[in-house]
Amino acid sequence: DIVLTQTPLSSPVTLGQSASISCKSSQSLLHTDGNTYLSWLQQRPGQPPRLLLSKVSTRFSGVPDRFSGSGAGTDFTLTISRVEAEDVGLYYCMQATHFPPTFGQGTKVEI
Amino acid sequence: EVQLVESGGGLVQPGGSLRLSCSASGFTYSKYGMYWVRQAPGKGLEYVSSITSNGGGPYYADSVKGRFTMSRDNSKNMVNLQMNSLRTDDTALYYCVADASGYYWGQGVLVTVSS
Repeated sequence: DIVLTQTPLSSPVTLGQSASISCKSSQSLLHTDGNTYLSWLQQRPGQPPRLLLSKVSTRFSGVPDRFSGSGAGTDFTLTISRVEAEDVGLYYCMQATHFPPTFGQGTKVEI
Repeated sequence: EVQLVESGGGLVQPGGSLRLSCSASGFTYSKYGMYWVRQAPGKGLEYVSSITSNGGGPYYADSVKGRFTMSRDNSKNMVNLQMNSLRTDDTALYYCVADASGYYWGQGVLVTVSS
C-alpha cells in the first residue's frame, strides 16, 4: 500500500498567519491517465471529514480561496493563508491513484 | 444538496454481524462510485470498501476481505455493508462516501465490537 507521511503532525498557528502541511508519498501519485489523485480533507472537531482540494490543487465547491494545494509526483503541500478560527481541526491527505486508497496520519492545526 | 445518511450501527459481540446502510440523495446516485471509510476512536481514516456506479467490484481492504460484503441498490439510492465475523479492532465510526465529482461524506455511524 502507498504510505502518505504528513508533516508536521501538529501545527500551532496565529490567526491571520499562514500554515503549511506537507504530504510525502512512498510512490509517485501520477496516474497513467495523466492525473494525480491527491486530495486534501479537513475534519473539524466532532465533524466528518470534508473535501477541500482534489487532484492536488482543485478547490471543491464552497472552499475558500485561502486554501491552496501544490506539488507533483511524491511531494505535496497544503497551504492555508490568513488562518481563521474556523480552520482549527485535522487535515488529511488522501491518494486514490493506487489501490487501495490511503490517507496520511493527519495534521492537527490549532490556534 | 448531497446528503448521505448512514444507519445500522450499534454494539455487537466479537464474532457477530451487523449490516450498515447508507441512503443517498441530492445527486444522480446511479452514476457514481461509493465508498465506506472508517475511523477508529481517536485514530485516522482507513479505506474499507468501494463499489462502482453499476455495482462493479466491490473492492475491499485486506483487513476486511472475506468478512465484509458491500452492495448497492440503484433503484433505492442505497448502499450497504454487511459485516460478519466482527472483531474488536473493527470498532470505529463508519462513513459512507460518494465519489460524485468530489468526495461527499456522511455523518458516520458508530460500530462497537465488544463483549
